[in-house]
Amino acid sequence: GDSVTQMEGPVTLSEEAFLTINCTYTATGYPSLFWYVQYPGEGLQLLLKATKADDKGSNKGFEATYRKETTSFHLEKGSVQVSDSAVYFCALSELGNQFYFGTGTSLTVIP
Amino acid sequence: DVKVTQSSRYLVKRTGEKVFLECVQDMDHENMFWYRQDPGLGLRLIYFSYDVKMKEKGDIPEGYSVSREKKERFSLILESASTNQTSMYLCASSQGQGRKLFFGSGTQLSVL
Repeated sequence: GDSVTQMEGPVTLSEEAFLTINCTYTATGYPSLFWYVQYPGEGLQLLLKATKADDKGSNKGFEATYRKETTSFHLEKGSVQVSDSAVYFCALSELGNQFYFGTGTSLTVIP
Repeated sequence: DVKVTQSSRYLVKRTGEKVFLECVQDMDHENMFWYRQDPGLGLRLIYFSYDVKMKEKGDIPEGYSVSREKKERFSLILESASTNQTSMYLCASSQGQGRKLFFGSGTQLSVL
């Protein structure tokens, strides 16, 4: 069945460092891919999405490219800020309305 | 903006109690979901509903039931709470297929 695997955390970075959070997926067809972010004490909110191969989703300086050949959707940001500290979830949606989430990666950015 | 409201932020219940978690969305979305979030396990789907009075089991429905009598409201019911149901419960809604999910702030349930 469908599944998402993302890198284990926690990740701790200094401000202005480069961020990569790896995400790979397994799907039977052509899913849409998502990154959600959960700030402390809040629910999840959509960060970015891509609906087909080679699409790049971007938002708030974060980017991720849908790579069908490597079944990956890695999240990147060139220069992280303290305010980016949160838990990041990779997710896919393929058939119908179901979403499959990764286990989440906790990011802490220190000044 | 879409608002998904969960009735309680924190809830403490005793083993064996019947527990109701309420969720209301204000954007006329067709689809509503209940997830539980546990450290190291991410989000796991308990139940979802794509229409009033319709429900589908997710990956971990055992010990739970749901009710959707009105389009805007989706309730999660723990018939007889157990300690292994201590978790963060997240409600979400969406419109159409493969569209983004809108989440509530979550209910942290502790079963003692």
